[in-house]
Amino acid sequence: DGGITQSPKYLFRKEGQNVTLSCEQNLNHDAMYWYRQDPGQGLRLIYYSQIVNDFQKGDIAEGYSVSREKKESFPLTVTSAQKNPTAFYLCASSLRTPGYTIYFGEGSWLTVV
Amino acid sequence: AQKITQTQPGMFVQEKEAVTLDCTYDTSDQSYGLFWYKQPSSGEMIFLIYQGSYDEQNATEGRYSLNFQKARKSANLVISASQLGDSAMYFCAMREGLGGGSYIPTFGRGTSLIVHP
Repeated sequence: DGGITQSPKYLFRKEGQNVTLSCEQNLNHDAMYWYRQDPGQGLRLIYYSQIVNDFQKGDIAEGYSVSREKKESFPLTVTSAQKNPTAFYLCASSLRTPGYTIYFGEGSWLTVV
Repeated sequence: AQKITQTQPGMFVQEKEAVTLDCTYDTSDQSYGLFWYKQPSSGEMIFLIYQGSYDEQNATEGRYSLNFQKARKSANLVISASQLGDSAMYFCAMREGLGGGSYIPTFGRGTSLIVHP
């Protein structure tokens, strides 16, 4: 079945470590997005990519990095520079038209211990 | 300035009654799309309904309808005959053109809906 797969679902990180969250889609979507969600809050855009080998910073990119080497994959690295990384991370993808639905993965819970 | 504003942090409704969740948006684009998503406690984002800026009719999907008032930049979600399973967070979202074919989705802060038996 087509969809977006995020892994891992739950991740614990020690302070000072980098961690990478995986996001894979088989929907043939050009655009992919990473959002961060804090408890009781909305979604804030971290990074987005419209095409392969190109990506742009969102509203809260500091402390994060991404790559888009393949159309299907858009991994997010949470670096040690991110001061408050504990959050719920959602990956999404879509076609590049305003009327097309945005599809989401199931999310990844990251906790710093 | 916020692109999407949801002014109701929490809403309560009796089972089988209708409820309206408010959403206002801010854009200078002529072409944009408006979406509503439901997020249960499991965290997944479930697409509910879509309204295009050029659509004359209000969108409807089963028990969900979108009350689109373009001049007021309002896109309220109406849920008819509420069910206990409707208890969740609800997010309003917009895709607007930023040039170069980029339609970045932005989201409101959400409204928590609790349906009472």
